[in-house]
Amino acid sequence: NAGVTQTPKFQVLKTGQSMTLQCAQDMNHEYMSWYRQDPGMGLRLIHYSVGAGITDQGEVPNGYNVSRSTTEDFPLRLLSAAPSQTSVYFCASSYAAGSLNEKLFFGSGTQLSVL
Amino acid sequence: DQQVKQNSPSLSVQEGRISILNCDYTNSMFDYFLWYKKYPAEGPTFLISISSIKDKNEDGRFTVFLNKSAKHLSLHIVPSQPGDSAVYFCAASENDMRFGAGTRLTVKP
Repeated sequence: NAGVTQTPKFQVLKTGQSMTLQCAQDMNHEYMSWYRQDPGMGLRLIHYSVGAGITDQGEVPNGYNVSRSTTEDFPLRLLSAAPSQTSVYFCASSYAAGSLNEKLFFGSGTQLSVL
Repeated sequence: DQQVKQNSPSLSVQEGRISILNCDYTNSMFDYFLWYKKYPAEGPTFLISISSIKDKNEDGRFTVFLNKSAKHLSLHIVPSQPGDSAVYFCAASENDMRFGAGTRLTVKP
């Protein structure tokens, strides 16, 4: 059982480049989300989705786009990378939608550096 | 504005003693609280949770206490073991899940 799979594990971008971080889960979870982890800031919510076709903004959505065309996949797009987006990104999923009283399952993370 | 706060960036305890990690929140609409544990180069993993209608939940060596009037929760680990050394994140949920900045726990043999 793969759980939550994130690719790539590491990525280096130049300022202004675009890229997509991939996230897939095989647990038939309705809820999926993206977080970034920065020193002293903990995990901050970027975007989340409560089901296919539905997305919403979290705490720090600027500079990122998401879509949810299938239950399994929730890619995160950086349209024009900036050094401030250097961070570790985590994708997470859960059974629950709406009021979230279920634990999140996390991927292993993507370390992104923007030069 | 962070709605979930962990004011202690680090904590060091001796093996066998109690570890107490603290967390404060500002949003009274949070209805579920969770603790996650994170090792280096891995994603966080769920540890223990508590509903807002309870004030205590216990699972083996781990106990979470919730004080709604003070908007405060804590995680107790008894006895602490070297393998518990990790970063611990407090989280709270309503329609989405918000995390604190984390506390790095070091358990010394």
